[in-house]
Amino acid sequence: QKEVEQDPGPLSVPEGAIVSLNCTYSNSAFQYFMWYRQYSRKGPELLMYTYSSGNKEDGRFTAQVDKSSKYISLFIRDSQPSDSATYLCAMSEGVGAQKLVFGQGTRLTINP
Amino acid sequence: NAGVTQTPKFQVLKTGQSMTLQCAQDMNHNSMYWYRQDPGMGLRLIYYSASEGTTDKGEVPNGYNVSRLNKREFSLRLESAAPSQTSVYFCASSLRTISQFFGPGTRLTVL
Repeated sequence: QKEVEQDPGPLSVPEGAIVSLNCTYSNSAFQYFMWYRQYSRKGPELLMYTYSSGNKEDGRFTAQVDKSSKYISLFIRDSQPSDSATYLCAMSEGVGAQKLVFGQGTRLTINP
Repeated sequence: NAGVTQTPKFQVLKTGQSMTLQCAQDMNHNSMYWYRQDPGMGLRLIYYSASEGTTDKGEVPNGYNVSRLNKREFSLRLESAAPSQTSVYFCASSLRTISQFFGPGTRLTVL
């Protein structure tokens, strides 16, 4: 069993829809939870991160962490065609842990 | 600032050939990383360097070697390439683990 599981999709939704992307994990020591966005043929870029449980909002993006269920989510409101990308969740045991564990990535397409 | 740069962008090798992938960063980051990305597998850590002079194995180190040449540069070497090493390779750097900056990648095909 992988430490981090992510539905690879692909996921296709119409412009303006609310998108929900999810990951589950097995390592209870994870404390930092990140979402990276990767456009086609580019390197990943950090979208946002959350420490421990709770919600974090940044514009149209909201990250949620439920450590009791070992489940994290990324919500995208008012989705735009420019949001079409692969979204990777990643987790770390701590700031100084030196290692990130990535999910498989979900390929998202927003249709105009 | 160029951020993280990688060379080459593309490479085709024959089985058994060797090559070195180059990575450089201009952000004065201490830590650098090499990942491979395969369909359905996400990003898997090959090797990392927490600081100049140190290197450690990641999840999939077999068949690879690394050199942290100085604070800016971190190279990945394939001594005897195999078809299983066909992948996209990403280099990354960071001040803190959670915020890693990635290069554009090297697409490697081993025939």
